[in-house]
Amino acid sequence: SYVLTQPPSLSVAPAMTANITCGGDDIGSESVHWYQQKPGQAPVLVISYDDGRPSGIPERFSGSNSGNTATLTISRVEAGDEADYYCQVWDGASDHVVFGGGTKLTVL
Amino acid sequence: QVQLLESGPGLVKPSETLSLTCTVSGYSITSGYFWGWIRQPPGKGLDWIATISYSGRTYYNPSLKSRVSISVDTSKNQFSLNLKSATAADTAVYYCARDLVGTSPPVPFDNWGQGTKVTVST
Repeated sequence: SYVLTQPPSLSVAPAMTANITCGGDDIGSESVHWYQQKPGQAPVLVISYDDGRPSGIPERFSGSNSGNTATLTISRVEAGDEADYYCQVWDGASDHVVFGGGTKLTVL
Repeated sequence: QVQLLESGPGLVKPSETLSLTCTVSGYSITSGYFWGWIRQPPGKGLDWIATISYSGRTYYNPSLKSRVSISVDTSKNQFSLNLKSATAADTAVYYCARDLVGTSPPVPFDNWGQGTKVTVST
């Protein structure tokens, strides 16, 4: 089955840029979605279809996808961005949802 | 604005069936979209369980398929999850969710319930 690989953790200083990666075989051919989850809360969709930003999501959040890596970019990182981030795709070969293992973003 | 609310027992005994219901308000399930269940074991990541379309088509996580069923109760505007032969490994927060667009494939999920914690233990 399709596997998505994320780094377990990433630390970034405030006002800097965080790049959270999601690796998968030819992931550039898939649509990738990203979720933010803060402690004790349900996940929130922050990027859809590689680079779409749902209503209410700040412009600081952006996405890209090419080759074997998809990336969630958070510009001008704020303390409130500290959370777990998950990538997700639909595995069309077997008709099921795949989540990455998640990346814990720490704002220094 | 659609809202989803999970309900069910917070404690399930090993070998019993874990049953949860998601009550949807603000939208009729039979009008469209895909409706799914996702869980999160303590301290771990998200684990997709199953999805059902408004027309009744189902999709299951291969690792759980033999134990799981998802269904819709149109009269109550609810959809449900049954997970047979529960073990401690099924202890998790269970979320129900709706997809964003309503056309295949049934992702991403953009409306989530608050989650309900289920513990499998004697």
